[in-house]
Amino acid sequence: TQLLEQSPQFLSIQEGENLTVYCNSSSVFSSLQWYRQEPGEGPVLLVTVVTGGEVKKLKRLTFQFGDARKDSSLHITAAQPGDTGLYLCAGPWMNRDDKIIFGKGTRLHILP
Amino acid sequence: GAGVSQTPSNKVTEKGKYVELRCDPISGHTALYWYRQSLGQGPEFLIYFQGTGAADDSGLPNDRFFAVRPEGSVSTLKIQRTERGDSAVYLCASSSLTSGTEAFFGQGTRLTVV
Repeated sequence: TQLLEQSPQFLSIQEGENLTVYCNSSSVFSSLQWYRQEPGEGPVLLVTVVTGGEVKKLKRLTFQFGDARKDSSLHITAAQPGDTGLYLCAGPWMNRDDKIIFGKGTRLHILP
Repeated sequence: GAGVSQTPSNKVTEKGKYVELRCDPISGHTALYWYRQSLGQGPEFLIYFQGTGAADDSGLPNDRFFAVRPEGSVSTLKIQRTERGDSAVYLCASSSLTSGTEAFFGQGTRLTVV
């Protein structure tokens, strides 16, 4: 079974600090996605990484796909209270684009 | 519509009752997914439709769960003889070939079985 393990499960930090959250698997994924979910809402796609070693930036968020395409990280610089939410990584199950599986998520809380 | 719409937003039902949850996907999206999300967990895959047919229903937990999409648009997730363990947020998502693997989610239906 392909599993996506996310760490840490919870993270609470002060506004202005930097942080990194991780998504790991023992299996190779053709691509990985990062979603952000706020309470009472569905997840919203932030980015898709496809190429091993790829780095994508979205304002203060930096996403990296591992060289072996088994892991990914999300780094947030100078976190702000608006970054609070549940960050989910997801990928195609057995590399089938039509079945996306999710990790359990990292719940991030930024304190003002 | 502009986005994926799910109704009702909240549903409280008694143990043993039958419930139907509705999903109205983005117009033109051929793929439709149902996920279940328990408190503190990520979404768990239930079933995927491509058009009218269920391409993969391997995530349905048991035969009390059934989903249909008769005209390739709106989908209904049906749960018979509900149990307290069925309580969760049920998320629907849709996608199209032009959106790649990006899935657009609705706000979910929070089901509470008492």
